[in-house]
Amino acid sequence: SAVISQKPSRDICQRGTSLTIQCQVDSQVTMMFWYRQQPGQSLTLIATANQGSEATYESGFVIDKFPISRPNLTFSTLTVSNMSPEDSSIYLCSVRSDRGYGYTFGSGTRLTVV
Amino acid sequence: TQLLEQSPQFLSIQEGENLTVYCNSSSVFSSLQWYRQEPGEGPVLLVTVVTGGEVKKLKRLTFQFGDARKDSSLHITAAQPGDTGLYLCAGVKRGGSEKLVFGKGTKLTVNP
Repeated sequence: SAVISQKPSRDICQRGTSLTIQCQVDSQVTMMFWYRQQPGQSLTLIATANQGSEATYESGFVIDKFPISRPNLTFSTLTVSNMSPEDSSIYLCSVRSDRGYGYTFGSGTRLTVV
Repeated sequence: TQLLEQSPQFLSIQEGENLTVYCNSSSVFSSLQWYRQEPGEGPVLLVTVVTGGEVKKLKRLTFQFGDARKDSSLHITAAQPGDTGLYLCAGVKRGGSEKLVFGKGTKLTVNP
């Protein structure tokens, strides 16, 4: 299955600033998914990133707050903009496994906003 | 409203005990998956069930998909401290997109 490199693994940021998270996949994939996992909570899908088109955002998430780039079939970035303490979460990227129905996840970016 | 209801939310047991985690929904899923997540890591896929009534075994772990494809269970026999982690069920809704919907997770602690 695909291997995902996600960075940074963690960061502490000042409120009002922005952080860009990168995900690199070792194989070409059509769709990449970005999730948020708030402390003690499960995963919530933020958006689906397709190469060559705008990302599709889930209810409650907007492009101005979470702009996504997908310049090619192996790479994507998620930016968390104008951060507030409520954005403190783990952010994860994911791709569908080439083995079938399962999904492979990056190791996550633990973001703390102070 | 949570699409996938997972129970229990927390479970603390002694080594050697058996346990079952449940994942229930009113919706039909084309597949249900179970993941295990350890601190500082992303979820790792344990199994995918696709056919109603399907049972899959992974060493001491037994996974079952309900006949109506609305629910699933994970049973662990003779739990070990290495089984400690967050267990997540996730599903792809039938007739929907490829979006994966997650339950809230079960945080399992196995004490030696």
